[in-house]
Amino acid sequence: AQSVTQLDSQVPVFEEAPVELRCNYSSSVSVYLFWYVQYPNQGLQLLLKYLSGSTLVKGINGFEAEFNKSQTSFHLRKPSVHISDTAEYFCAVSDVGAGNMLTFGGGTRLMVKP
Amino acid sequence: DVKVTQSSRYLVKRTGEKVFLECVQDMDHENMFWYRQDPGLGLRLIYFSYDVKMKEKGDIPEGYSVSREKKERFSLILESASTNQTSMYLCASSRDTFEAFFGQGTRLTVV
Repeated sequence: AQSVTQLDSQVPVFEEAPVELRCNYSSSVSVYLFWYVQYPNQGLQLLLKYLSGSTLVKGINGFEAEFNKSQTSFHLRKPSVHISDTAEYFCAVSDVGAGNMLTFGGGTRLMVKP
Repeated sequence: DVKVTQSSRYLVKRTGEKVFLECVQDMDHENMFWYRQDPGLGLRLIYFSYDVKMKEKGDIPEGYSVSREKKERFSLILESASTNQTSMYLCASSRDTFEAFFGQGTRLTVV
């Protein structure tokens, strides 16, 4: 069985500072990896995904993530955050060949302060 | 524009009531999902469906059932609502690229 751990439940950061949201997963097989964002009172939308190929993945709104197979991590980064990035971020994993079964982490609330 | 629509944003129901949460997608997706979202627990899969009239249990199916009579519609049913089912419910659909599209969510309170 797979699991996803988001190490920080909340990350406060000042506007224009860099940020990294951490995600580790456990799985015995190859995986696909995702980051979703949830703005207040909304559903989730996809930020980026890793299916294969380059381990550095670029997404929307200036976010990127790096897949590290040896450390089973998929950390999300942004070099300079904006107030509008305040939201909850979810890391998710799907086993290759498991269809569309996503397992989500507990979420990280990013709070950007002026 | 891609759309997954959940019939209600907020619902308040009494303990023991039968509750229906409806979800409709307009993208002709084969796969549809119901998740429950609770603080600190992320999203947990209740049920999913990969075709009309097909359903599979997720991680926490107890106390829930689902119905998919048409490709675009996936309903979640709480047979007898209980207070521990107070939560945010999210519907999603996907095709084959593993990108799931989510509805706005239904915040259900059981009193």
